[in-house]
Formats: sequence, C-alpha cells, structure tokens
Amino acid sequence: DVVLTQTPVSLLISLGGQASISCRSSQSLVHSNGNTYLHWYLQKPGQSPQLLIYQVSNRFSGIPDRFSGSGSGTDFTLKISRVEPEDLGVYYCLQRTHNPFTFGSGTKLEIK
Amino acid sequence: EVQLVETGGGLVQPGKSLKLTCATSGFTFSNAWMHWVRQSPEKQLEWVAQIKAKSNNYATYYAESVKGRFTISRDDSKSSVYLQMNSLKEEDTAIYYCTWGITDWGQGVMVTVSS
Repeated sequence: DVVLTQTPVSLLISLGGQASISCRSSQSLVHSNGNTYLHWYLQKPGQSPQLLIYQVSNRFSGIPDRFSGSGSGTDFTLKISRVEPEDLGVYYCLQRTHNPFTFGSGTKLEIK
Repeated sequence: EVQLVETGGGLVQPGKSLKLTCATSGFTFSNAWMHWVRQSPEKQLEWVAQIKAKSNNYATYYAESVKGRFTISRDDSKSSVYLQMNSLKEEDTAIYYCTWGITDWGQGVMVTVSS
C-alpha cells in the first residue's frame, strides 16, 4: 500500500500567520491517465473531514484562497496563509491514485 | 443540499455482525461512486470500501483489512448504501463515515466491538 507521511505532527501558529504541511508519498502519485489524485482535508473538532484541495492544487467549492496546494510526484505541500481561528483542526492528505486509497496520519493545527 | 446520514452503529461482541445504512439526498445517487471510510479511536482515517454505479456494473473494492468480512451494497431506488460487517474484531472499532466520492461526508456512526 502507498504510505503517506505527513509532517509536522502538530503546528502552533499565530493568528494571521502562515502554516505549511508536507505530505510525502512512498511512490509516485501520478496516475496512468496523467492526473495526480492527492487531496487535502480538514477535520474540525467534532466534525467530519471536509475537502479543501483536490488533485494537488484545486480548491474545492467555497474554500478561501488562503488555502493553496502544490507539489508533484511524491512531494506535496498545503499552505495556509493569514491563519484564522476557524482553521484549527487536523489536516489530512489522501491519495486516490493507487488502490487501496490511503490517508496521511494527520497534522494538528493549533492557534496561538 | 447534499446529505448523507449513517445509522446502524452500536456496541457488538467480537465475532458478531452489524449492518450500517447510509441514506442520501441532494445528488443523483444512481450515478454516484460511494465509499465507506472509518476513523479509529487514535484518529487515523482508513478507506474501507467502494461501490461504483450501475454503469460500472456496481463494481466493489475493499481494504485488505476487511476483505472477506465486509460487504458494501447499494439500493438506487432508496438512494442508500450499506455496509454489512461480519466476524467483527476489536480493531474494527471506529467511527464509520459514508462518503460520496470522498468529497461529501456524513456525520459518521460509532461502531464499538468489545466483549
């Protein structure tokens, strides 16, 4: 199975600051069709995960442009700029290129 | 508005069975590829199963950890997807989420396997 390694495990960021989360894959996430199925989710306390970014860099409907995704192959990054109180929670990456789909272990974002 | 509502969770003894139901609305269910994803008490997310649409012959896929014990199915007339869980183990204890394309998620239902 593809292993997704997320770092750091936790982040403590001041309001208005910037956060960066890494997701590294044990193998390339480029599908045979040329697409890269690496997505990012935020799970706020007491809620289900919500999709933020799909296919590396595309913001899902309603997601502010403070959230951006980048990367290719095996290395991917989620950046959150101008951190706001509602950004706290656990961030997960997910790969859907290879079966079975696999998730990273999560990065907890806390606000100073 | 997309809605997914899971029911059927609870406390069950090891070796027993449980069936989860996910009732949906707000999208064209018959065309949707549906998934079950679970979250362990340690908060790790694990994809469990997928069922594709009729046009894909209702193809199903499973995580190795549940293959042979869990069965995903659907009823397009009821816009519902199911997860039949047999021979349950303590390590199956988790919150089970129903998702549409791993885009929209239900609120989850707790399954606890314990003697």
